[in-house]
Amino acid sequence: ILNVEQSPQSLHVQEGDSTNFTCSFPSSNFYALHWYRWETAKSPEALFVMTLNGDEKKKGRISATLNTKEGYSYLYIKGSQPEDSATYLCASTGFQKLVFGTGTRLLVSP
Amino acid sequence: EADIYQTPRYLVIGTGKKITLECSQTMGHDKMYWYQQDPGMELHLIHYSYGVNSTEKGDLSSESTVSRIRTEHFPLTLESARPSHTSQYLCASSPSGFSGANVLTFGAGSRLTVL
Repeated sequence: ILNVEQSPQSLHVQEGDSTNFTCSFPSSNFYALHWYRWETAKSPEALFVMTLNGDEKKKGRISATLNTKEGYSYLYIKGSQPEDSATYLCASTGFQKLVFGTGTRLLVSP
Repeated sequence: EADIYQTPRYLVIGTGKKITLECSQTMGHDKMYWYQQDPGMELHLIHYSYGVNSTEKGDLSSESTVSRIRTEHFPLTLESARPSHTSQYLCASSPSGFSGANVLTFGAGSRLTVL
């Protein structure tokens, strides 16, 4: 079973701060890396899926990078807003089923 | 607007009761999944289905069972609930094709408490 690790476990920043999280995964038999955003009492929603080494994806103020050789992905949030408060999950897969990390809980204070 | 629906959202029930968590999706996805999450822990896959009449156990052993009689419906059943079953259960679906790159669409979850 893959072991996917995320850090930090939680993060508290002020509105306007930029922040980033890390997702580590086994680099062998890698196929895809997913990022999801999960707000309290809502469904997790997909942010990005990346498959190629060096991939960079961007969605508004949120971006992600992928390094499959060393087995990590970074998620960046530029100019955090209170509505960015959520748990950010990453998940990796060899080919079939996704394995999730425990998530990074972000709280953005006004 | 949700495309995958889970009911009930919250359930508190006594030990020994039979429960069924419902999951329905309107996207025509062939693949459906059940994940279990304990507080502070990862989402663990407990069941999945790649189509009608196809069900498989996931990575985490579970006493629950599932069925897939219709494409849109993937209910999870516990024949006799116990306090150890207290957890959050998330249903998800994805389109066919190479599994790893397919985005999952999640329901809002069913939070089960067994007294």
